[in-house]
Formats: sequence, structure tokens, C-alpha cells
Amino acid sequence: LAKTTQPISMDSYEGQEVNITCSHNNIATNDYITWYQQFPSQGPRFIIQGYKTKVTNEVASLFIPADRKSSTLSLPRVSLSDTAVYYCLVGETSHSGNTGKLIFGQGTTLQVKP
Amino acid sequence: SQTIHQWPATLVQPVGSPLSLECTVEGTSNPNLYWYRQAAGRGLQLLFYSVGIGQISSEVPQNLSASRPQDRQFILSSKKLLLSDSGFYLCAWSEEGRGYGYTFGSGTRLTVV
Repeated sequence: LAKTTQPISMDSYEGQEVNITCSHNNIATNDYITWYQQFPSQGPRFIIQGYKTKVTNEVASLFIPADRKSSTLSLPRVSLSDTAVYYCLVGETSHSGNTGKLIFGQGTTLQVKP
Repeated sequence: SQTIHQWPATLVQPVGSPLSLECTVEGTSNPNLYWYRQAAGRGLQLLFYSVGIGQISSEVPQNLSASRPQDRQFILSSKKLLLSDSGFYLCAWSEEGRGYGYTFGSGTRLTVV
């Protein structure tokens, strides 16, 4: 499993764009990059997933360079409710019979201030 | 649609007592199932995962065990709880073979006293 490295914490202010970068130098060819969000006393929630280039949904954008050794989660115009821990994960392949287990790192604690 | 149920939400147990946490998934078949633990202020630690009935893999040696008696039921147990077993326990499922797109339960806050 590819190891990921991301900042332990980040601060931002309401209305700003937040970019959280994750390093995954040993990512395998068939691995996808997935980001989760976790609020206190809740289970992590899937935010976005990508393989290469750029992916955008109603919550965030994910930028992945050509070498796929890093990725950046972009949260547009954050609000106080975006204060949470954000996890970057690199999963196993989607082949049948695969365990599909994901290893969570420490994540990035984002604190949004008014 | 698929749903995951986990209970109880909170639990306070004395040291040395047994433990049984249950997780069930609805709306899917043959899911991969996972138990994670999160200590206060820490990240998520994978404890067990299962790719089928009766198939359990342990990620770390510990005082806990897991069982999967039915396709969509995953149970976390202990015969004798330790203080260090306190934490936030999360069950999750994913589609067979998928390494992404987990759905987590609401968690159980276990305090061992």
C-alpha cells in the first residue's frame, strides 16, 4: 500500500480557498486517490476520488499531476462548517477478490476561522 | 440504497468485562467489511477486515476479535476489556474488491473504566 504524507494541520478563514496537498511517491499504477472528511465523533465521509488530472464535484476539486506522486484537494470558499480532519488515501486496485482495505494516516486538521 | 447500522452509540464498560459491538449493512451483498478504532486525537487504525462470511483478517495483535456470522453482519468482541481498549470504533463497508468508496457507520464511543 502506498504511504501518504500530508500536513498535520492548516488554518484558514471563511470565504477563502483551501488547498491541502498530499504526497504519495509510491503510488501503484492501478491505485486511485481518495479523500475523506471527518467531523468529531462521526465516521469519515467520502469527498472525492480521482486517478489523474482533475476531478470536480459539488464539494471539492482534486488535482493530480501527470506523475501522480502527489494530489491536491481544493475546497472553494470554506465556511466554519468545513472545520474537520481531511484524509488522503491511496487504495488498492478494484480487482475482484481484492481486500480493498484502506490505511488512514493522521490526516490534516483544517480549522476555519471567522 | 445501501445503509450501514452500528450500535450502540456509546458504551461505558468496566475493566475485565466482555464486549460485543454489532454492525449490519443493508442493500448490498458480499460487501467488504472493516472495523477501525480511533483513539482520542488520533487517526484511524484498521483492526479487522472481512471479504466474506467467516473470513476475518486481523491487522494488529490485540485484545479484540471479530466475526462475520452472516454476509452483512460484522461483530467486534472482547472477552475481557482493558483500559487501552477505550476509543471510537467505526464499522465500514465497501463493494467487493473496491479499495475506495468506503461508507462508515456512525461509530461507537467506548469508555472502559
